Order: sequence, then C-alpha cells, then structure tokens
Amino acid sequence: AQSVAQPEDQVNVAEGNPLTVKCTYSVSGNPYLFWYVQYPNRGLQFLLKYITGDNLVKGSYGFEAEFNKSQTSFHLKKPSALVSDSALYFCAVRDMRTGANNLFFGTGTRLTVIP
Amino acid sequence: ETGVTQTPRHLVMGMTNKKSLKCEQHLGHNAMYWYKQSAKKPLELMFVYNFKEQTENNSVPSRFSPECPNSSHLFLHLHTLQPEDSALYLCASSQRTGGSDEKLFFGSGTQLSVL
Repeated sequence: AQSVAQPEDQVNVAEGNPLTVKCTYSVSGNPYLFWYVQYPNRGLQFLLKYITGDNLVKGSYGFEAEFNKSQTSFHLKKPSALVSDSALYFCAVRDMRTGANNLFFGTGTRLTVIP
Repeated sequence: ETGVTQTPRHLVMGMTNKKSLKCEQHLGHNAMYWYKQSAKKPLELMFVYNFKEQTENNSVPSRFSPECPNSSHLFLHLHTLQPEDSALYLCASSQRTGGSDEKLFFGSGTQLSVL
C-alpha cells in the first residue's frame, strides 16, 4: 500500500535561514510525489511535483524538493525562509499501480518562521 | 482564490440533525473529491466522482452521503453524526482522475463541529 510519512509535526526556523520539511514515502511502483501548502483558513494549494526526470524539482514561492530514490525521500527545501512561509505543509504520493490513482497525503508539518 | 467554493465555512450540528455541505468549482474540471482533515492525521480521502459517477467510496460510514448532480457541484449530506466526525471537510477538483501528474484544487473547507 502507498503511504507517506512526515516525521516532524512542527518545524521552527529563523527568517532568512534555510528550511527543510521532511517526507518519506512507500509505494509498490514508481512514485509520483507532491507537496501542498495550507495557509490559515484556506484549502491546500499545490506547490510542486516530481513525476520523472531531474531529482531536484522547483516549485512555487521559491520552494524546491529533492527526490532521493535510495532513501525513499522527497524533502521540501527553501534557501531562505520568509515569515509568510509559515503554514501547514503536506507531502502526498500517487501510486499508479493501485488502479485508483488517488493522492494519499501525510499528516502535515507545521512550519513556523520566526522573525 | 482557487476556483473551488465551499459553503458553509463553519457548521455546528447536533447528533440528530441533518445538514448538507456544498461545493462548487468554476474550473471546468470533471473530477471532484471529498477529504476529511483531522488534527495530526493524514488527510482521509472519502469520495471521488469522475464525470458525475462515483468512482471511490473509501469505506465511509453511511451517515455521510455524497451527491454529484453535475461536474460543477458536489454535496455531502450529513445525518446522525457522531462527535468524532468533527473535522475540516475539504472539497477538491481536478481535470480528471487517473493522471499521474494530476493536480488537485482545494476549497477552503467546512469546519464541522458535532455536539
């Protein structure tokens, strides 16, 4: 069965510092990986995705994520955090072998950027 | 705005009440979804509709009853709910189901409290 794990409920980082939000996945076939962000009182918004190709994927708002097949990870990164990046971040995976092809989300990581 | 509108934003109901959640998308999409978001739990996929046909019912109790009269509208009818059903209910849409790189567009959700 497909799943994602976000080992940290909360990540705090100082403004201007680099940030990392961790995600590991488990699928039976090739993984299709996504990051979504949820700002307060809003629905989830797509940030970026990995389907195939370069392991480093660039997305919205200066975020990027690195796909590491050997470690089954897809960590979200940003070189310099902004206070406005404070939000809830969800990693998701789609396993095309299951037939349903639906997205399965993690538990979310709350990022707080401290001024 | 993501193009997906959910009403009401907040709902408080007793366990014997009947209420409905509404979702409308203005994106011309053909697939619509209901997700349940509870604190510190993965987003739970509840129902999937593709071209108005239900393609997924993720073992959801019968006290939740979805309805999709057309590709732009999705309802979730609620009756005799339990306090553990209190959560944020998110509606999402996508162009179609089954695509490996398919992105979901989410509404802001209905925060449901069952007393």
